Amino acid sequence: GIQVEQSPPDLILQEGANSTLRCNFSDSVNNLQWFHQNPWGQLINLFYIPSGTKQNGRLSATTVATERYSLLYISSSQTTDSGVYFCAVAGTASKLTFGTGTRLQVTL
Amino acid sequence: DARVTQTPRHKVTEMGQEVTMRCQPILGHNTVFWYRQTMMQGLELLAYFRNRAPLDDSGMPKDRFSAEMPDATLATLKIQPSEPRDSAVYFCASGFRVPGQGRNEQFFGPGTRLTVL
Repeated sequence: GIQVEQSPPDLILQEGANSTLRCNFSDSVNNLQWFHQNPWGQLINLFYIPSGTKQNGRLSATTVATERYSLLYISSSQTTDSGVYFCAVAGTASKLTFGTGTRLQVTL
Repeated sequence: DARVTQTPRHKVTEMGQEVTMRCQPILGHNTVFWYRQTMMQGLELLAYFRNRAPLDDSGMPKDRFSAEMPDATLATLKIQPSEPRDSAVYFCASGFRVPGQGRNEQFFGPGTRLTVL
């Protein structure tokens, strides 16, 4: 099956800082999603981005499908951004394979 | 506000008991997934359905787990008998997929946190 690697595993930022999270995958994909798992355990959809670039407020994402990676950018981080960020991909089958996540802590 | 709902949100039970978790997918979605999250294994797929038919249950321990979709608005995941190693958060997700075409996004419910003593 497809392998998904995320980096860094852990990240501590001061409020207001910017960050880049990376997701590498081992095969071509039809689906790539970024999720934020908040401290209450909910998985929040951030982006559906099998290719290209999207922006939503302070967050943006880019997927370069030919090179098998995706990046999630967080600008002007806030304490509410804390949690775990997951990248998940699917090939021809619909099932998502998740990476191990990046745990982000934003401090005052 | 369309969302996936799951019940119960929390369940504590004793080893050997039957556990049933329920999921209501987003209206109009034709694909329903069950995932499990543990500290050791992370998020992993247990089973999924399209148009109520099971497509893949290879991630599910067959001897004790069963998944069904009695109708388009209800998916169930049962564990019988439950064991302490089944303690985890179980997520249901739904999406709309026409194979070979279009968007393939999945939306997750809030999860059922299961503790088996």
